[in-house]
Amino acid sequence: DAKTTQPTSMDCAEGRAANLPCNHSTISGNEYVYWYRQIHSQGPQYIIHGLKNNETNEMASLIITEDRKSSTLILPHATLRDTAVYYCIIFSGGYNKLIFGAGTRLAVHP
Amino acid sequence: EAEVAQSPRYKITEKSQAVAFWCDPISGHATLYWYRQILGQGPELLVQFQDESVVDDSQLPKDRFSAERLKGVDSTLKIQPAELGDSAMYLCASSPRTGHYGYTFGSGTRLTVV
Repeated sequence: DAKTTQPTSMDCAEGRAANLPCNHSTISGNEYVYWYRQIHSQGPQYIIHGLKNNETNEMASLIITEDRKSSTLILPHATLRDTAVYYCIIFSGGYNKLIFGAGTRLAVHP
Repeated sequence: EAEVAQSPRYKITEKSQAVAFWCDPISGHATLYWYRQILGQGPELLVQFQDESVVDDSQLPKDRFSAERLKGVDSTLKIQPAELGDSAMYLCASSPRTGHYGYTFGSGTRLTVV
């Protein structure tokens, strides 16, 4: 599975949109972009995934560039409870492994 | 909302002792995963089950770790003997089957080896 590059940390004001970038320049055609987050002392939580089209659910939006080499997770109105480590993962499904990197530590402040 | 249950939540053990963790996945989920997360790092997959069969245990230190899922439902991860370096969070996750389904993780077992 392709590797990803994410900023180590970011911060965001409460109520504003949080835009978390992820580079995955070696992604191949059958690989999906997944996002998980991990709030302190809890297990990771699935957020969203996509192949090439933009996706939106009740938690977030995922914007994937046309060349699929990068993506952005958008939390439209960040709250203090969104403070967490966010993992961008490239996953081809099947029996392949979901491999976590170091992620981006997002701090939402009042 | 359905959850993945793990117990115990916390465990302190002395090195060279045996320790076991239990996981009950979401009902009907065929695929079960055990991950280990060292403080400050992302989770690392130890073993993956499809029903009762091991699909991938390439990262499992087999000299001291074992995992089983006898009836294809709940699972146990065992360490014997525990070493200081085994101190970590042990996470269990499940998914309906292989493919593009989000994994659901439990809250984990925090192991401290002293």
